[in-house]
Amino acid sequence: NAGVTQTPKFQVLKTGQSMTLQCAQDMNHNSMYWYRQDPGMGLRLIYYSASEGTTDKGEVPNGYNVSRLNKREFSLRLESAAPSQTSVYFCASSGQMLGEQYFGPGTRLTVT
Amino acid sequence: TQLLEQSPQFLSIQEGENLTVYCNSSSVFSSLQWYRQEPGEGPVLLVTVVTGGEVKKLKRLTFQFGDARKDSSLHITAAQPGDTGLYLCAGGVSWGKLQFGAGTQVVVTP
Repeated sequence: NAGVTQTPKFQVLKTGQSMTLQCAQDMNHNSMYWYRQDPGMGLRLIYYSASEGTTDKGEVPNGYNVSRLNKREFSLRLESAAPSQTSVYFCASSGQMLGEQYFGPGTRLTVT
Repeated sequence: TQLLEQSPQFLSIQEGENLTVYCNSSSVFSSLQWYRQEPGEGPVLLVTVVTGGEVKKLKRLTFQFGDARKDSSLHITAAQPGDTGLYLCAGGVSWGKLQFGAGTQVVVTP
């Protein structure tokens, strides 16, 4: 099993450019999440999808949009990248009531 | 936002020593999870505790959930270099959503 996969692993963007981060899980989980991780700040929730067809804002949604394409795939889009969005982005999925989450390897994004 | 504070932020010890990491909040959580993250990788779940006062052991790691379900601790006995990593606690705040602490970086030197 691949678990949670993310593409790309690394990306450099110029301010104002757009891009989509892709995430897929093969564990048949209902819930999927996007986080960003910055030094000293832990993981902050950007958006989540409790089930196929639904998405909700997390703690830091500004500047991002998401699409739950199907049960397996959950993408994160930056429409106009800003230097403040330089971060490591993690996708996670969960299929259990207690919310144990399984993480992908991350995408390291730099916006110049 | 229910805040989770972890202490210490950084811990450096010699192989064979013991260590304890703390996770504290003023809020009650439905569950508390601990993750370990290694450089360049995503966090990996270690354990989930649900009941106040619960203690779980995973080999040399002992996890405890406070009686009031507001705090937790992780104790490592006889630490090994393989225990090096960023330890994150996360509290269940609503169905399926977690609030993460900022993490404790543990370095175990041979």
